Amino acid sequence: EAQVTQNPRYLITVTGKKLTVTCSQNMNHEYMSWYRQDPGLGLRQIYYSMNVEVTDKGDVPEGYKVSRKEKRNFPLILESPSPNQTSLYFCASSPRDRRGSGANVLTFGAGSRLTVL
Amino acid sequence: DQQVKQNSPSLSVQEGRISILNCDYTNSMFDYFLWYKKYPAEGPTFLISISSIKDKNEDGRFTVFLNKSAKHLSLHIVPSQPGDSAVYFCAASANAGNNRKLIWGLGTSLAVNP
Repeated sequence: EAQVTQNPRYLITVTGKKLTVTCSQNMNHEYMSWYRQDPGLGLRQIYYSMNVEVTDKGDVPEGYKVSRKEKRNFPLILESPSPNQTSLYFCASSPRDRRGSGANVLTFGAGSRLTVL
Repeated sequence: DQQVKQNSPSLSVQEGRISILNCDYTNSMFDYFLWYKKYPAEGPTFLISISSIKDKNEDGRFTVFLNKSAKHLSLHIVPSQPGDSAVYFCAASANAGNNRKLIWGLGTSLAVNP
């Protein structure tokens, strides 16, 4: 089944304790992205990756890191989590847009709910 | 400031009737619009999209209408079914190079009552 898999689905942690949220897709998609969803703010992009070893900042990258060493994986790293990073996180992927730009249909993971105390 | 606005947080309709979900946007550079549906404990799933060169796109029970002059789009679901009960997100994008960044509305929670 074509899917985006995120882990963990739920996590409660404490301030400053490094954590990684993994994301893996089995559709051979070039493009991957991380979003966070917060009440009243909607979905906001954290980081994105056009392909292996190509990553860039989205709208709210502060406090996050990513890597794209393999095409299928795009982990989100919180080096020193803080309470304002308590949120619902979504990973998404899509194939390369033939036009090379513009929107494409994203496939989302089921989400990872993170609480930082 | 929200560039994509869904002014109705919730909507309730009877099974079999039409559901109309609305979305307004402010950025005239947006050229592609999408609707996603989200069930609890799941990620958003793509429903239907429309390019700015069109004013209507239809897929089965779902039709999206785009009024560029009013910067308004709507999603019509006919007939509505209980399984359509979900949160619906409107999203838009402009030609932004290689980043498929979507700007999202806050969602409308649709309840279809049997």
